[in-house]
Amino acid sequence: GAGVSQSPSNKVTEKGKDVELRCDPISGHTALYWYRQSLGQGLEFLIYFQGNSAPDKSGLPSDRFSAERTGGSVSTLTIQRTQQEDSAVYLCASSPIDGANVLTFGAGSRLTVL
Amino acid sequence: QKEVEQDPGPLSVPEGAIVSLNCTYSNSAFQYFMWYRQYSRKGPELLMYTYSSGNKEDGRFTAQVDKSSKYISLFIRDSQPSDSATYLCAMRGSGGSNYKLTFGKGTLLTVNP
Repeated sequence: GAGVSQSPSNKVTEKGKDVELRCDPISGHTALYWYRQSLGQGLEFLIYFQGNSAPDKSGLPSDRFSAERTGGSVSTLTIQRTQQEDSAVYLCASSPIDGANVLTFGAGSRLTVL
Repeated sequence: QKEVEQDPGPLSVPEGAIVSLNCTYSNSAFQYFMWYRQYSRKGPELLMYTYSSGNKEDGRFTAQVDKSSKYISLFIRDSQPSDSATYLCAMRGSGGSNYKLTFGKGTLLTVNP
């Protein structure tokens, strides 16, 4: 596609529910990243994919967070048993294989946990 | 001490002013330095990146890196109302495993017509 597409753009959920956030990267971009942007905070790295593999999951805040990528394209970030502190904007970015300096971000998925 | 410090502002300037945005950092391993612009309810958009120390110019934007002081700057000349946004600095180390960007919290800039 022309850009990185994320869905849903907004999600309101109740504490304890599971949510899935989707990212569709730019066609041909092999690298995919998830970041989290909380109110008043900078972007926080969550996970990085090269193809379908996630060599670095170190940024995932807890075992309630997981992510997968299939077909070297679409990625899904899943948050189980959501907590209020999970409320944030979840940003996805993609880049070419050697393009860690030139990330293209999507518009984000704004998650609100009540 | 956070790895990257950035004054959140807000910064308000008149149209046509020269704007200076800055970040300091503590990790001497950082080699690549980026500036992103983020409009409200949008994702960050890369403005420019530089490698190691030095200057880089792109139109009205100039990025400077002083590694000896661990200090980076973004200058905007002839600022326009359309430049009103949050500006994020970001940086990373070199090498294949250093793909993770460390961001500042961002500076909110308003350019008044």
